[in-house]
Amino acid sequence: AQKITQTQPGMFVQEKEAVTLDCTYDTSDQSYGLFWYKQPSSGEMIFLIYQGSYDEQNATEGRYSLNFQKARKSANLVISASQLGDSAMYFCAMREGWTGGFKTIFGAGTRLFVKA
Amino acid sequence: DADVTQTPRNRITKTGKRIMLECSQTKGHDRMYWYRQDPGLGLRLIYYSFDVKDINKGEISDGYSVSRQAQAKFSLSLESAIPNQTALYFCATSDATGKGSNQPQHFGDGTRLSIL
Repeated sequence: AQKITQTQPGMFVQEKEAVTLDCTYDTSDQSYGLFWYKQPSSGEMIFLIYQGSYDEQNATEGRYSLNFQKARKSANLVISASQLGDSAMYFCAMREGWTGGFKTIFGAGTRLFVKA
Repeated sequence: DADVTQTPRNRITKTGKRIMLECSQTKGHDRMYWYRQDPGLGLRLIYYSFDVKDINKGEISDGYSVSRQAQAKFSLSLESAIPNQTALYFCATSDATGKGSNQPQHFGDGTRLSIL
């Protein structure tokens, strides 16, 4: 079964608008970490934001915020004021806890297109 | 110089050949990972290592082997390459500080492997 699910293969957003990229996860661990990475067309992987399972507040990094709903096991990425340079693949990842061997696994990704 | 260096960057080879992909890092991280990226499937974990004496299988280890020659070096081998191993391969590292839960991964630039 998929442990990280990103249900949106592709998304379009108008420049300057906000967009939410969905991510749900599955784990039996109580302690785990959630990450979002950006992969532009050049191919490199860029870390965006982190949320720990025990963090009470949603993480924010500049225009990125993470809408963490622990009971629903979701960790959606919100990008505010989209820019053309935000067009890229976005990956949600989870660092599992003890039962998962502390490994990090990724979802299938969402390709975001920002329209001028 | 890049903190995580993968060699080669591109490789085209034939079915049945033995191939080694190399990864070296200057970040001083204990944890190293190998992923493959396929369109629509995201990044899938092949093997990971938390120190020189610790090697673990990931989601898709069949057909692959690894060697952690030193803290800084982690190589991936395809003993007898087959066409469905054609993919983009990434090496990544992460710090183990604080059990590593909030430390993002740092990725190499990837190796594009084509098996004919």
